[in-house]
Amino acid sequence: EVQLVESGGGLVQPGGSLRLSCAASGFIVSNNYMYWVRQAPGKGLEWVSVIYTGHSTYYADSVKGRFTISRDSSKNTLSLQMNSLRAEDTAVYYCAMGRSDQFDYWGQGTLVTVSS
Amino acid sequence: QSALTQPASVSGSPGQSITISCTGTSSDVGGYNYVSWYQQHPGKAPKLMIYDVSNRPSGVSNRFSGSKSGNTASLTISGLQAEDEADYYCSSYTSSSTYVFGTGTKVSVL
Repeated sequence: EVQLVESGGGLVQPGGSLRLSCAASGFIVSNNYMYWVRQAPGKGLEWVSVIYTGHSTYYADSVKGRFTISRDSSKNTLSLQMNSLRAEDTAVYYCAMGRSDQFDYWGQGTLVTVSS
Repeated sequence: QSALTQPASVSGSPGQSITISCTGTSSDVGGYNYVSWYQQHPGKAPKLMIYDVSNRPSGVSNRFSGSKSGNTASLTISGLQAEDEADYYCSSYTSSSTYVFGTGTKVSVL
């Protein structure tokens, strides 16, 4: 059974950093497309980043240069390093796995709040 | 990258069919067959309902179907049921090697 469990969310001040993790089970992270998607409170879904089965990574313009996606094959985990955080980064962050260009499985999400 | 355009809300009576549209551009919806649809109930994670325009994952009811014409994709729910009441989002791969979601549609069962 595929499972994704996010962790690392919390309250952080503007300009601060946070690292999100996503523990995967039931499949191999490096053999699938892995994504981060976020949802601000009461708002719609926003794609954040992808890491492909090679090492290619892509980012939404809103986070480019501030966020870094990575994976650890030895731990079968996905991570999102978030720097220079802004109030508008406040959201529930979901990790998702895709066998291709869709989001097949989702975690339960972790809430990131950027506020002073 | 601008969000794909969806109607804010769609409603129907039990047993009826409804269709949700998702309009993009030739750089996303119109340029690729990588359109997918997601159902999200309040407080829950999204669930994949349709991928590659019209394919249903295993376990998704055949009451859900997808199609595409030009820059507009559509999700049809037939035989509407109370459990279908949720938010629905479309998504597409883009020419910038990124992804974009739709604005979201709230489906109400009257």
